[in-house]
Amino acid sequence: GAVVSQHPSWVICKSGTSVKIECRSLDFQATTMFWYRQFPKQSLMLMATSNEGSKATYEQGVEKDKFLINHASLTLSTLTVTSAHPEDSSFYICSARVPLAGELFFGEGSRLTVL
Amino acid sequence: RKEVEQDPGPFNVPEGATVAFNCTYSNSASQSFFWYRQDCRKEPKLLMSVYSSGNEDGRFTAQLNRASQYISLLIRDSKLSDSATYLCVVNLYSGNTGKLIFGQGTTLQVKP
Repeated sequence: GAVVSQHPSWVICKSGTSVKIECRSLDFQATTMFWYRQFPKQSLMLMATSNEGSKATYEQGVEKDKFLINHASLTLSTLTVTSAHPEDSSFYICSARVPLAGELFFGEGSRLTVL
Repeated sequence: RKEVEQDPGPFNVPEGATVAFNCTYSNSASQSFFWYRQDCRKEPKLLMSVYSSGNEDGRFTAQLNRASQYISLLIRDSKLSDSATYLCVVNLYSGNTGKLIFGQGTTLQVKP
């Protein structure tokens, strides 16, 4: 079964609104989670590393004021796309590594469409 | 130059065929390597890790050539269910990090 769960799977919103995506680790504690974005026919691109209890680390070119990340507990990280615009429409995926295991598990992904 | 490069395909092959995908990476300090499979509109899932000595898992064989910075995936006796996008993935760092660099992916379509 899934070890990392994302919600919502699909979201459609109007331009200018904010959208929150949740990423939960199931049955394990994740001090670090990762947020990726994937545009059609392109690679997954790491946006940021979410650290429990501290600020997220953003990759170059990712606006931290636009993509707010909160990792308030060991099982939950949230990504908020603020003032969304059509160019933010994408597939957002979170991931976490099960402690002592080598594999990185991904959430089911959240497909955002901004009208 | 992209950090991880793959031929996007698509590769269209008949059932039972053998197909090979290649991948090159630019950072010689890369530590570990993987092949992930991604079905349409789904999250990536680990197919197999890639070891320097080469490794096999059933119909799938992965090879790594550090000198040439080249990774390959061979699929024998292709099944319809193998149709997916195959992502070459490189971990730049050792240890417990998820900072993976993904290739664009190679799309495989297996036809009956």
